[in-house]
Amino acid sequence: DGGITQSPKYLFRKEGQNVTLSCEQNLNHDAMYWYRQDPGQGLRLIYYSQIVNDFQKGDIAEGYSVSREKKESFPLTVTSAQKNPTAFYLCASTPRQGAGETQYFGPGTRLLVL
Amino acid sequence: KQEVTQIPAALSVPEGENLVLNCSFTDSAIYNLQWFRQDPGKGLTSLLLIQSSQREQTSGRLNASLDKSSGRSTLYIAASQPGDSATYLCAVGRRGAGSYQLTFGKGTKLSVIP
Repeated sequence: DGGITQSPKYLFRKEGQNVTLSCEQNLNHDAMYWYRQDPGQGLRLIYYSQIVNDFQKGDIAEGYSVSREKKESFPLTVTSAQKNPTAFYLCASTPRQGAGETQYFGPGTRLLVL
Repeated sequence: KQEVTQIPAALSVPEGENLVLNCSFTDSAIYNLQWFRQDPGKGLTSLLLIQSSQREQTSGRLNASLDKSSGRSTLYIAASQPGDSATYLCAVGRRGAGSYQLTFGKGTKLSVIP
């Protein structure tokens, strides 16, 4: 069954803690994306990666970091520098970089601050 | 900077009614436009993708139109069903330097009443 998986479904962060959200895809897609969604808001781009070992900042990258060591994996770390991390985080992928194709989304991770 | 607006923010209709969701964007230099559906607490599902050179796309009871010069797109849903209840998001795509990015509207929350 091909698709994008995100884990965990819910994540709780304590003050000053870094947390990592997982995103894995078995679609053999080149490009992967991380978005943040706040209640009643559209999605905002945090980071994207077009190929392995390469990634670019999106519109709201401050307080976040990513890595792309494998084609199928694109984890997002929410650092302690992100002062308002409570949101719904969505990972997406597309078959080829820069081709303007449909984006496929994972089920999302909801991050809450304790 | 591209801005995407969706009107109305929420819409409630009786089952069987035809309806139109609106999306407008400020920069007409787009690569394509995508419509997505999002169920509560879930990821996004792609509905239709319209290339900038196209005027419309159809899939089943859904028809999306694009008027790039006026910065508008509409999503027409025929014979609405309770299962159509969800939030519908419009996203405008742009290409540059080998990358492709989407700018999202805030969505229209649709409720179809049985």
